[in-house]
Amino acid sequence: DVKVTQSSRYLVKRTGEKVFLECVQDMDHENMFWYRQDPGLGLRLIYFSYDVKMKEKGDIPEGYSVSREKKERFSLILESASTNQTSMYLCASSPPGQFLNEKLFFGSGTQLSVL
Amino acid sequence: AQKITQTQPGMFVQEKEAVTLDCTYDTSDPSYGLFWYKQPSSGEMIFLIYQGSYDQQNATEGRYSLNFQKARKSANLVISASQLGDSAMYFCAIRPRGTDKLIFGTGTRLQVFP
Repeated sequence: DVKVTQSSRYLVKRTGEKVFLECVQDMDHENMFWYRQDPGLGLRLIYFSYDVKMKEKGDIPEGYSVSREKKERFSLILESASTNQTSMYLCASSPPGQFLNEKLFFGSGTQLSVL
Repeated sequence: AQKITQTQPGMFVQEKEAVTLDCTYDTSDPSYGLFWYKQPSSGEMIFLIYQGSYDQQNATEGRYSLNFQKARKSANLVISASQLGDSAMYFCAIRPRGTDKLIFGTGTRLQVFP
């Protein structure tokens, strides 16, 4: 069964801390994504990676960076966490988009609270 | 720029009834894909159904079907014979041609009552 695993389901951090959110997929997918989900705003793309060491900014990259050193792992980094980064973070992966119907496979999310 | 609009923040439906969740989109591309995902309280996003812009027929997957009206740029999800387990958030998304990214709407929370 295909799987996208996010390392933590719930995370509580202090303002100013450096935070790492980890995501691992076992499907050998080229593409990996980080979305942020907020009530009333839906899912917004933070960053996306289409290959190892390759990345592209999404719609809301400010305050975030990413790392993809291995194909199966995509990390989201909050260099200095702030309270407005309290949110649900969803990782996803997909094969390269040769066809429009390639869907994204999601992890179960990390609910991050920054105090 | 592409955009998805879901105008219903919340919907209620009685068990065994059908319900329609609205989705309109804005794109100038002639070729695109439309997706619906379900998110139960557990948080995971579950893929439900896909419609391609050039598909001649409306997509169906079990109790899920898409009412796709290309000229009106709408792709409404119809759930027939609702079940209590259908209570969840539902997201519509679009993939424009030439990108691997999905652009999501704000979601609709569906509650099914007995």
